Amino acid sequence: DVKVTQSSRYLVKRTGEKVFLECVQDMDHENMFWYRQDPGLGLRLIYFSYDVKMKEKGDIPEGYSVSREKKERFSLILESASTNQTSMYLCASSLIYGTSGSYEQYFGPGTRLTVT
Amino acid sequence: GENVEQHPSTLSVQEGDSAVIKCTYSDSASNYFPWYKQELGKRPQLIIDIRSNVGEKKDQRIAVTLNKTAKHFSLHITETQPEDSAVYFCAASMDQAGTALIFGKGTTLSVSS
Repeated sequence: DVKVTQSSRYLVKRTGEKVFLECVQDMDHENMFWYRQDPGLGLRLIYFSYDVKMKEKGDIPEGYSVSREKKERFSLILESASTNQTSMYLCASSLIYGTSGSYEQYFGPGTRLTVT
Repeated sequence: GENVEQHPSTLSVQEGDSAVIKCTYSDSASNYFPWYKQELGKRPQLIIDIRSNVGEKKDQRIAVTLNKTAKHFSLHITETQPEDSAVYFCAASMDQAGTALIFGKGTTLSVSS
């Protein structure tokens, strides 16, 4: 059973604070992803990583950075949190080659971040 | 870049009816099209996916069809049940590994008994 965990379910931070969201997967997946989910906007890709120390920008990378020092861990960093970054943040992981043509992404439970 | 449009945003059906959700994509290079289901308060989960070399795929009560020429794909759920009530997301991917997904905005399906 794939397990993707996120460090916090709920987080409240002040404007201007540096925020770290942590994601850990236990299935030796090469790919890891960070999305934000907002009502009516679906899931939007922030950053993803194919391998340790590698990162690629998604659709909305502005205001975010990421770190992947170990294969199982992918961190999302908000350098200076702003109120428009209040959202649900979802981490996911997948195998780089997939299985039987499927590249299923396994999601974590999400972190609801509120920036005040 | 890729853009995925999803319709309708909400869909209400009676138990036993069929439900159809449609998505269009913009980039003809897209080659992988998954559908995810997210129940209230839970994480999204893959329910079915299709690659660009296949026109249709079925798994029990759910099916996905793909029209590459028109750049659209659809999710069909037959004999709907209350437990099908959820938000459904379509997605498209262009990269060779099918990894970087661009999601539609979601369809909230309500099945009433």
